[in-house]
Amino acid sequence: RKEVEQDPGPFNVPEGATVAFNCTYSNSASQSFFWYRQDCRKEPKLLMSVYSSGNEDGRFTAQLNRASQYISLLIRDSKLSDSATYLCVVNTGYALNFGKGTSLLVTP
Amino acid sequence: NAGVTQTPKFQVLKTGQSMTLQCAQDMNHEYMSWYRQDPGMGLRLIHYSVGAGITDQGEVPNGYNVSRSTTEDFPLRLLSAAPSQTSVYFCASSFTSGREDGELFFGEGSRLTVL
Repeated sequence: RKEVEQDPGPFNVPEGATVAFNCTYSNSASQSFFWYRQDCRKEPKLLMSVYSSGNEDGRFTAQLNRASQYISLLIRDSKLSDSATYLCVVNTGYALNFGKGTSLLVTP
Repeated sequence: NAGVTQTPKFQVLKTGQSMTLQCAQDMNHEYMSWYRQDPGMGLRLIHYSVGAGITDQGEVPNGYNVSRSTTEDFPLRLLSAAPSQTSVYFCASSFTSGREDGELFFGEGSRLTVL
């Protein structure tokens, strides 16, 4: 079983929509959590860290549920430029484990 | 700012050939790592290093060697290339191992094809 599981999508949503991605992780000792964004044929880049109390960065909200080992990312008021693959990332010791990514396509 | 620099960006090899993917960072990061990304598989950790002279294996180390003689450089060596090593390779570095808010900075990737 992969340590970090995500629904691969694709999620096709219209501009202005709200979309949510979910992620589960298997290692209960995981210490820190992130969402990365990867554009087509580009390198991944950090979107936001995920804190236990939940955190927001503009239109993006991340939530962590340690008891259920579950992470979520909510994108409000989707823009065309949000089209990308979103990677759920979990730190376990000296490695960052990446989910396979969820593909988002925002359409006009 | 250069950040993380990988070379070459593209490479075609024949089965059995060896080569080295170069990675250099100018941010004085202690932690460096190599990932490979394959369709449907996501990013998988090959090797990592928490400082000069220290390396360790990740999830998929077979067929690859690394060394870390300086803080700046972390080359990845393919010993005898196989078609299964056709992939996109990313080098990444961080101030820490990614704990807490240790953001990973990635190079632009090296696209390797083994015939």
